[in-house]
Amino acid sequence: AQKVTQAQTEISVVEKEDVTLDCVYETRDTTYYLFWYKQPPSGELVFLIRRNSFDEQNEISGRYSWNFQKSTSSFNFTITASQVVDSAVYFCALGEGSQGNLIFGKGTKLSVKP
Amino acid sequence: GAVVSQHPSRVICKSGTSVKIECRSLDFQATTMFWYRQFPKQSLMLMATSNEGSKATYEQGVEKDKFLINHASLTLSTLTVTSAHPEDSSFYICSARKDSRLGPQHFGDGTRLSIL
Repeated sequence: AQKVTQAQTEISVVEKEDVTLDCVYETRDTTYYLFWYKQPPSGELVFLIRRNSFDEQNEISGRYSWNFQKSTSSFNFTITASQVVDSAVYFCALGEGSQGNLIFGKGTKLSVKP
Repeated sequence: GAVVSQHPSRVICKSGTSVKIECRSLDFQATTMFWYRQFPKQSLMLMATSNEGSKATYEQGVEKDKFLINHASLTLSTLTVTSAHPEDSSFYICSARKDSRLGPQHFGDGTRLSIL
């Protein structure tokens, strides 16, 4: 069973639009972490945020915001006033288990057009 | 902070060659390092987890003898693809984590391996 689902394969928006990337996860652990990573065309993975399972407080960092809802097992990511430089593949990941291994979703490719 | 360096960034070599990829944590000690493989337009698949000084733990379906992992120090892990074949061509990316089991993993820039 897929543990991290990013239902949106590709999203295309025009610059300055707001966009929300969805992430739904599945776990039996009571302690776990959720992550978002950005992978630009150059290939490297950039860490954006980590959220633990006991902290449902939403977080805002500049144009980025995250909405964590345990009731729906979702950890959505919103970019406000998108920019061309936001174009990338965004991965949601779940960290669980004795090793804390990351389980990645399939990613959402975001294209921001000028 | 939390910089991970991966080298080389790109390798093109003939079938049958063994290729070594290095992953270094530059400004922190990494108790655990991870190796992932990513096919074009797909997600990252964990290959193995290595803790410094002990044998790597491989994911199901990953050949231990094919993908040799060494984690000799708290700042260096290496992945050697032995006798590489075209089907081994992929993007390999490592990550390093400090000490917390659920701390963030910091990723290297990846290595694009092309086997002719």
